[in-house]
Amino acid sequence: QLQLQESGPGLVKPSETLSLTCTVSGGSISSSSYYWGWIRQPPGKGLEWIGSIYYSGSTYYNPSLKSRVTISVDTSKNQFSLKLSSVTAADTAVYYCARLQRLNWFDPWGQGTLVTVSS
Amino acid sequence: EIVMTQSPATLSVSPGERATLSCRASQSVSSNLAWYQQKPGQAPRLLIYGASTRATGIPARFSGSGSGTEFTLTISSLQSEDFAVYYCQQYNNWPPEYTFGQGTKLEIK
Repeated sequence: QLQLQESGPGLVKPSETLSLTCTVSGGSISSSSYYWGWIRQPPGKGLEWIGSIYYSGSTYYNPSLKSRVTISVDTSKNQFSLKLSSVTAADTAVYYCARLQRLNWFDPWGQGTLVTVSS
Repeated sequence: EIVMTQSPATLSVSPGERATLSCRASQSVSSNLAWYQQKPGQAPRLLIYGASTRATGIPARFSGSGSGTEFTLTISSLQSEDFAVYYCQQYNNWPPEYTFGQGTKLEIK
């Protein structure tokens, strides 16, 4: 059974870079069938897609975040990572990683990790 | 950007009754729509993809319908575990750009 687990600092200072890693277990991140994605959810609010990556390194980003986002993949560790630069309080959210089926829907999801931007 | 609008924001229904949730797209997304269920403190769970195909392990009381700009998620006989927030998500763009509705909270009446 495929599982995803987010990890990284829970507190980031304003103007710094948020860095998270998603570790995939129970399956290979190098599968040709899937992309992998990051989605976030501010407290009490809805879901926002951040970006997606293929094992080859091909990426797609949300245009509203593109200038600040970098997603990378490490196939040797079965992981993919998110970097979001120049963060503000508006970037405070639960960050989820998920498998992207056929570049279409997200399933399954990791449990999520709360990242708070505060000095 | 394709904007997804869900209605109502909150729906109060009694256990055993039917719930009907709506999702509207700002432009046609064909049948490229998914539904998710999210319970407090948990990640979203995929319910429906392709507008009407149930994901693996999803009970038959969940059904999806619609195409183009108007979509519906129906829960035929509400169980206690169904009270949650439901989101729709479109995946019709190229290059890929995924957008979610703002959610409908299904609460016990």
